[in-house]
Amino acid sequence: GAGVSQSPSNKVTEKGKDVELRCDPISGHTALYWYRQRLGQGLEFLIYFQGNSAPDKSGLPSDRFSAERTGESVSTLTIQRTQQEDSAVYLCASSLRNPRNEQFFGPGTRLTVL
Amino acid sequence: LAKTTQPISMDSYEGQEVNITCSHNNIATNDYITWYQQFPSQGPRFIIQGYKTKVTNEVASLFIPADRKSSTLSLPRVSLSDTAVYYCLVGAGSSASKIIFGSGTRLSIRP
Repeated sequence: GAGVSQSPSNKVTEKGKDVELRCDPISGHTALYWYRQRLGQGLEFLIYFQGNSAPDKSGLPSDRFSAERTGESVSTLTIQRTQQEDSAVYLCASSLRNPRNEQFFGPGTRLTVL
Repeated sequence: LAKTTQPISMDSYEGQEVNITCSHNNIATNDYITWYQQFPSQGPRFIIQGYKTKVTNEVASLFIPADRKSSTLSLPRVSLSDTAVYYCLVGAGSSASKIIFGSGTRLSIRP
C-alpha cells in the first residue's frame, strides 16, 4: 500500500517568507508526527497529532511554527517569516495509534532558507 | 525524560556481527525500547522493539538486561547495505514528545 508522502520534496525560499509543508499519512493511522532534522543531527520532535485529541505542540521551537491536521488525514506544517536557522529536512511520520507503535516516515521536505 | 546514550560511530566489516549498545539509566517502568535505522536522504525505518529480555526478528536481535538500564542491538553478518545511522529510543505509548531520537550511532561497514 501507499506509504507516507510529503510535498514538496525540496523548497528553497527567501528569509522572511512563509512556507507550507504537506504530509499525507498512511490511511487508517490516527497518529501523525512532525520532526526536524538538521544536517548531520538527530531528529527533533516538533508536534504530535492523535485522533481528535488536542495536539502535543511541546516541540515547536517558536510561535513562527504551527501545524494543522484535517481529521485523521492530511497535515500541514507552516513556518512563518522563515529564518536561515530553519533550514533543515522536515520529516513526517504516522503510526497506527500511539508513539509506541511503529512510526512510518515519509521521505521528508528539504527546506533551504536563503 | 528517559535520555539515551549511544556511541557516535562504529566501524565493522562485511560478514561480522555488530553490537550497538544504548544506555538509558533513568528508564521508566512503562517505557519500551525501540531501534530505528536511517539511510542518507531517507526517513528512519523501524527495526525492532522490546521491553525486557530478548527479542529477535528477521533483521536483528535486541538484548535487554534485567535492570533495563541498557540495551544492545545485534546485527548478524552485516553487509555494506547496513551502513546507516541507528537510533535507540526509549519511551511510553502516550507521549510523543517524551520519545527522543538522539544523535544516533553512525555505523560504517567496509568490504
